[in-house]
Amino acid sequence: TQLLEQSPQFLSIQEGENLTVYCNSSSVFSSLQWYRQEPGEGPVLLVTVVTGGEVKKLKRLTFQFGDARKDSSLHITAAQPGDTGLYLCAGSGAGSYQLTFGKGTKLSVIP
Amino acid sequence: DAGVIQSPRHEVTEMGQEVTLRCKPISGHNSLFWYRQTMMRGLELLIYFNNNVPIDDSGMPEDRFSAKMPNASFSTLKIQPSEPRDSAVYFCASRYRVANTGELFFGEGSRLTVL
Repeated sequence: TQLLEQSPQFLSIQEGENLTVYCNSSSVFSSLQWYRQEPGEGPVLLVTVVTGGEVKKLKRLTFQFGDARKDSSLHITAAQPGDTGLYLCAGSGAGSYQLTFGKGTKLSVIP
Repeated sequence: DAGVIQSPRHEVTEMGQEVTLRCKPISGHNSLFWYRQTMMRGLELLIYFNNNVPIDDSGMPEDRFSAKMPNASFSTLKIQPSEPRDSAVYFCASRYRVANTGELFFGEGSRLTVL
């Protein structure tokens, strides 16, 4: 079983601050996805990365896939209260249908 | 499209009772997943269907759990008999392609409480 460790588990910051959350594994993934989940709802896809070293930007969010495809990070610039939620990373091994999720980072952005 | 539809949204039952959770995937999606989410264990994959056929049910906790997909537009997850440790939010998700880079679309979940 491929495990994904996310850190920190909880993060509370002031509006306007920057933050980075991490997703690490000892296994190699062929692709990695980041989802955001709000209370009472299902996770929603933010981005998919497939190439080692790949960087993708989504407005104030920057996602990076590690060169060895074992880790990923999500950086948020100038966080806003609307960024509050549970951020989940999920990885798939080569040829595998299965998407393994980390436990997530619960982010609270205080106005 | 209405998205993935799950019912019921909330279920409170007593230990020993049968629970049936329902899911309608997005039309045209050929892959369906059942996940369970708890604070302690996060999102765990229970079972996966491709073209209505169960492919891997190794995540199903024990024989008390069963899942069916009689057609492309409907799936059920049944727990019989239910136990307090089954309390969790159960999510159904569907995907258009088998390819592992495809986006998973989740329903809003069914929150189960077993007393």
